[in-house]
Amino acid sequence: DAEITQSPRHKITETGRQVTLACHQTWNHNNMFWYRQDLGHGLRLIHYSYGVHDTNKGEVSDGYSVSRSNTEDLPLTLESAASSQTSVYFCASSDPSNYGYTFGSGTRLTVV
Amino acid sequence: QKEVEQDPGPLSVPEGAIVSLNCTYSNSAFQYFMWYRQYSRKGPELLMYTYSSGNKEDGRFTAQVDKSSKYISLFIRDSQPSDSATYLCAPNSGNTPLVFGKGTRLSVIA
Repeated sequence: DAEITQSPRHKITETGRQVTLACHQTWNHNNMFWYRQDLGHGLRLIHYSYGVHDTNKGEVSDGYSVSRSNTEDLPLTLESAASSQTSVYFCASSDPSNYGYTFGSGTRLTVV
Repeated sequence: QKEVEQDPGPLSVPEGAIVSLNCTYSNSAFQYFMWYRQYSRKGPELLMYTYSSGNKEDGRFTAQVDKSSKYISLFIRDSQPSDSATYLCAPNSGNTPLVFGKGTRLSVIA
């Protein structure tokens, strides 16, 4: 069965370190998205991609970067982790003809 | 004004109650209206999807859209403890990434 997987599920890192969160989907979806979810803010868009080599900034992109070298993967990099980036991160994918997103199970990141 | 407003609750109801969850939005270009359900420590999953104004029913769930007042609703009939989750609305124009409401946390008490 097709799926979307995120790794790791939990991570603790120190302030200033570079961190990369993985997202891998086997749906063959062109569209992929990264959101963060925080109490009081809901889901907020970080970056998104509509295909290989395409990347776009979302609402809260400062301090984050993505790259899309193939259809299946959209890794999210925190260039220099800050305590404000402690959050739950969700990756999602969709087909352009289907407005429903399929979400991964999330990565809980703690920056200490 | 935020693009999508949703009362975060929490909302607590007895089993069997009718639940009404609501969102307002500001962008008149929105034509697609989605509701996602998110269980604790899980990713959101698409629950219902409607296009333009009107009602759509799926089992115990009914999604209602009033574009004239920019108001969308999700009704749950005969609510069950398994319906306990956070419900997120996501109206969309179709050519931009989804913007979600903050979500309403629902507890159905047996």
